[in-house]
Amino acid sequence: SQKIEQNSEALNIQEGKTATLTCNYTNYSPAYLQWYRQDPGRGPVFLLLIRENEKEKRKERLKVTFDTTLKQSLFHITASQPADSATYLCAGNTGGFKTIFGAGTRLFVKA
Amino acid sequence: DAGVIQSPRHEVTEMGQEVTLRCKPISGHNSLFWYRQTMMRGLELLIYFNNNVPIDDSGMPEDRFSAKMPNASFSTLKIQPSEPRDSAVYFCASTLAGGPEEQYFGPGTRLTVT
Repeated sequence: SQKIEQNSEALNIQEGKTATLTCNYTNYSPAYLQWYRQDPGRGPVFLLLIRENEKEKRKERLKVTFDTTLKQSLFHITASQPADSATYLCAGNTGGFKTIFGAGTRLFVKA
Repeated sequence: DAGVIQSPRHEVTEMGQEVTLRCKPISGHNSLFWYRQTMMRGLELLIYFNNNVPIDDSGMPEDRFSAKMPNASFSTLKIQPSEPRDSAVYFCASTLAGGPEEQYFGPGTRLTVT
């Protein structure tokens, strides 16, 4: 079945370091990958979208890559801050209405 | 804009009771999605509406689940009868056109069935 897989283990990093989260997809060829942030008790909030023909996309301290050979996307937060602590969801879409979400990776940034 | 509005935010009910969850999408958005989120299964798409018409309900788990969108500003998700395994957080999301663009999620309804 089509799957978006993210590391279920929480990522703990020190403030100021770069956080890198991984998203892998199997049995699936998304044309778009999205990243969302979800805080406890809230709905996901959209952060970035990257197309399969884009290798990299940046927005402020965020950077996303899309490697169709490795079937992987990396999500980076540079100069991380405690306020970046949240769960980050990766999602894939082939171009239609259906978006498949990963289970998310929790990020803890320690001051 | 107030964003996507969902009610109630929390619902506790007994097994066998009917539960109705409500959603108001962002004005001007013509696509609406209902999702269910659990620790075990993550975020799952239940049903998708475009211009108030259900396009895909293949994610609806059983006949106990039904959804309607009587107009562009209101949708309901009903579970009848409810079961403990329906306990989850239910999200409504809307988009402008229903394609791969960003989805705007509501705050969710946390449903607990005892």
